[in-house]
Amino acid sequence: GAVVSQHPSRVICKSGTSVKIECRSLDFQATTMFWYRQFPKQSLMLMATSNEGSKATYEQGVEKDKFLINHASLTLSTLTVTSAHPEDSSFYICSASLQGYSDGYTFGSGTRLTVV
Amino acid sequence: GENVEQHPSTLSVQEGDSAVIKCTYSDSASNYFPWYKQELGKGPQLIIDIRSNVGEKKDQRIAVTLNKTAKHFSLHITETQPEDSAVYFCAASRNFGNEKLTFGTGTRLTIIP
Repeated sequence: GAVVSQHPSRVICKSGTSVKIECRSLDFQATTMFWYRQFPKQSLMLMATSNEGSKATYEQGVEKDKFLINHASLTLSTLTVTSAHPEDSSFYICSASLQGYSDGYTFGSGTRLTVV
Repeated sequence: GENVEQHPSTLSVQEGDSAVIKCTYSDSASNYFPWYKQELGKGPQLIIDIRSNVGEKKDQRIAVTLNKTAKHFSLHITETQPEDSAVYFCAASRNFGNEKLTFGTGTRLTIIP
């Protein structure tokens, strides 16, 4: 089945620095990428949806200048957390999809971000 | 927008017994309903899904039922095993693979040996 590779799995960064998270679809071309954030013991909350070659659509309350999403190719999407603060510490998960593809939504393994 | 409610939030069952988790959704245009299993520190893993043109689907010990009129769907796990212990999420989408998934709040399932 479809595989999405997400890196890094864990990252610790200092307040004020930026962190980039990558998601690659390994055996299919992802026309759409979804980025979620999950706080401890909570559900997955959609942050933004991106389609290859176009600007991401952000959910209400998500700062687009803080969470930069790039979906420049059909196999790679990145999420950059800029000027990270401790409250940005969370589990970030990507999900790739290709309309018509039987596997539907394929999730990455997640990135645990800790901002100190 | 879509709102998905999930119950119970925690569930403990004896090994070998059945577990049932229920979800309701608000958007009548939703037509795809997956269930995910999430283990600690990992991404969600699809365990079963159902589309709106089907009322029930089964895969070995796991089954999902859908009542579109009442806007609810349920996950049934029979003959539970310790490895079934995890957090389970239901979700709903308007368009399989193309539109966003809205997740339920999750159920922490514990199987007691």
